[in-house]
Amino acid sequence: AQSVAQPEDQVNVAEGNPLTVKCTYSVSGNPYLFWYVQYPNRGLQFLLKYITGDNLVKGSYGFEAEFNKSQTSFHLKKPSALVSDSALYFCAVRDGGATNKLIFGTGTLLAVQP
Amino acid sequence: GAGVSQSPSNKVTEKGKDVELRCDPISGHTALYWYRQSLGQGLEFLIYFQGNSAPDKSGLPSDRFSAERTGGSVSTLTIQRTQQEDSAVYLCASSLAGAGGYNEQFFGPGTRLTVL
Repeated sequence: AQSVAQPEDQVNVAEGNPLTVKCTYSVSGNPYLFWYVQYPNRGLQFLLKYITGDNLVKGSYGFEAEFNKSQTSFHLKKPSALVSDSALYFCAVRDGGATNKLIFGTGTLLAVQP
Repeated sequence: GAGVSQSPSNKVTEKGKDVELRCDPISGHTALYWYRQSLGQGLEFLIYFQGNSAPDKSGLPSDRFSAERTGGSVSTLTIQRTQQEDSAVYLCASSLAGAGGYNEQFFGPGTRLTVL
């Protein structure tokens, strides 16, 4: 079965510093990987996805993610964090069945301190 | 353009009552998903609609849950005889259909259901 793991419940970073939110995956076949962000009392917003091609994927709000097949990871990164980046981040993998439903990680709370 | 909309945004109900949650997907999106977000279970898939095909109901937790999608657009999730464990945020998402599932899903703001 497809799965993703987010090993950190919370990540703390100072504004202006680089940030990394970790995600590892377990899939059969080629992985389709996604990152979403959730602000308080809001739905999930799509950030970026990896389907195929370049291992470094660029997305919204200056975020990027690096697909690493050998380490089965898809870590989310940003060179310089903003206080407004503070939110809950979810990694997801497409389920291999016909529905293409998403299997989500448990989420990582990113707290950026001014 | 308009995103996915859901109503109501909040619903408080008494145990045993039935509730209906509505989702209006992005125009032109043929794929529609319902997910549930709760503290104990995280984000979990409930049901999937694609065009006129039979829905995938494999994620529905019990037969008290049902959903329909009329005219390939608006969807309604119905929970009968609600229980306290049904309390959660119910999220709807839609996407373009594409072979291989590479299209991202766009989520609505959710309906927060509280069962007293």
